[in-house]
Amino acid sequence: NAGVTQTPKFQVLKTGQSMTLQCAQDMNHNSMYWYRQDPGMGLRLIYYSASEGTTDKGEVPNGYNVSRLNKREFSLRLESAAPSQTSVYFCASSEGGGGGAEQYFGPGTRLTVT
Amino acid sequence: AQTVTQSQPEMSVQEAETVTLSCTYDTSESDYYLFWYKQPPSRQMILVIRQEAYKQQNATENRFSVNFQKAAKSFSLKISDSQLGDAAMYFCAYRSYTLTQGGSEKLVFGKGTKLTVNP
Repeated sequence: NAGVTQTPKFQVLKTGQSMTLQCAQDMNHNSMYWYRQDPGMGLRLIYYSASEGTTDKGEVPNGYNVSRLNKREFSLRLESAAPSQTSVYFCASSEGGGGGAEQYFGPGTRLTVT
Repeated sequence: AQTVTQSQPEMSVQEAETVTLSCTYDTSESDYYLFWYKQPPSRQMILVIRQEAYKQQNATENRFSVNFQKAAKSFSLKISDSQLGDAAMYFCAYRSYTLTQGGSEKLVFGKGTKLTVNP
């Protein structure tokens, strides 16, 4: 049982390049999330998917797109990377449907845009 | 919108001593959940403890306990008998009791407190 996995762990991009961050969970969770973590800012929600087939914007969605490929996988795409997108990105999942269930986090992807 | 404030960017404690990390939040909701997450240098986010706002009893998990003051909108974390492995960033987080529009269980995080444990 791997929990939440993310690929890649590290990535360096040049301004204007595109890339997709991959996330998968094997806990049969309904809801999945993408957060970014910047120094001194805590974690901020970029996009989320409450259930398969649905996605919604979070607090900081500009410059990103997401795809809920199936129940297991939720990808985050940067179409034209900017230095302001240098950050650590976390994917998370939860059972969904209410209740106090915790969110389980992946190990994170450190992205640097030069 | 809900906000979470952690007023202590850094804290330190001697091994085996007790330390309390502060968290306050702002909400107009009466029912919600509060969490403390730990992030060690490995970057992995680990749930430490959770509290349901409708429960008056403070949550405890081994050496970790909370002081939940609903009227004051305060949710502090107490770590007893601190160990070197407790050194980490600690994040306080808020979640609405009901599903948000779109059906999400979104977390709102504070900016974190870096805890150093001195041997």
